[in-house]
Amino acid sequence: EAQVTQNPRYLITVTGKKLTVTCSQNMNHEYMSWYRQDPGLGLRQIYYSMNVEVTDKGDVPEGYKVSRKEKRNFPLILESPSPNQTSLYFCASTPRGGGDGYTFGSGTRLTVV
Amino acid sequence: GQNIDQPTEMTATEGAIVQINCTYQTSGFNGLFWYQQHAGEAPTFLSYNVLDGLEEKGRFSSFLSRSKGYSYLLLKELQMKDSASYLCAVRDGKGGADGLTFGKGTHLIIQP
Repeated sequence: EAQVTQNPRYLITVTGKKLTVTCSQNMNHEYMSWYRQDPGLGLRQIYYSMNVEVTDKGDVPEGYKVSRKEKRNFPLILESPSPNQTSLYFCASTPRGGGDGYTFGSGTRLTVV
Repeated sequence: GQNIDQPTEMTATEGAIVQINCTYQTSGFNGLFWYQQHAGEAPTFLSYNVLDGLEEKGRFSSFLSRSKGYSYLLLKELQMKDSASYLCAVRDGKGGADGLTFGKGTHLIIQP
């Protein structure tokens, strides 16, 4: 089944404890992206990648890192999480220039206390 | 900057028709997408318009006017399961060639 697999679904952590949210797609998509979704603010792009070893900042990159060592994987790293990073996170992928839209992962609800 | 506007909330009746509007002002344009998102779940793709006009897909239709910076999503024969948020998104070249900028979403409430 074509999908984007994102883990974990739920995570509660403490301020400053490094964490990684994994994202993997099996559709051979070139483009992958991370979004966070907050009430009243909608989906905002954190980082994106247009292909292997090519990543760039989105609208809200502060406090996050990503890597794209393989085409299928695009992990999101929070080196030192803070409470303002409490949010619902989505990974998404799409083929280049297509009209099929993004395929989203199931989401990760992160709480930083 | 990029600006995508849609109503925050709408209410409609089961079996009726509802139109959700989206206006956009973006520095680039290479397509407009509509997504449906149920609470706490991932958005799912509904429709794509890149040329002016109407695209129909079953009970859902989407319209685009590039000169007006305007789109709408039309939902017919509303069902209770259509209660969800509807997100308008523009492929505007920000965030790479395939980057999407999303509106804040319209929360649609269906009443019996």
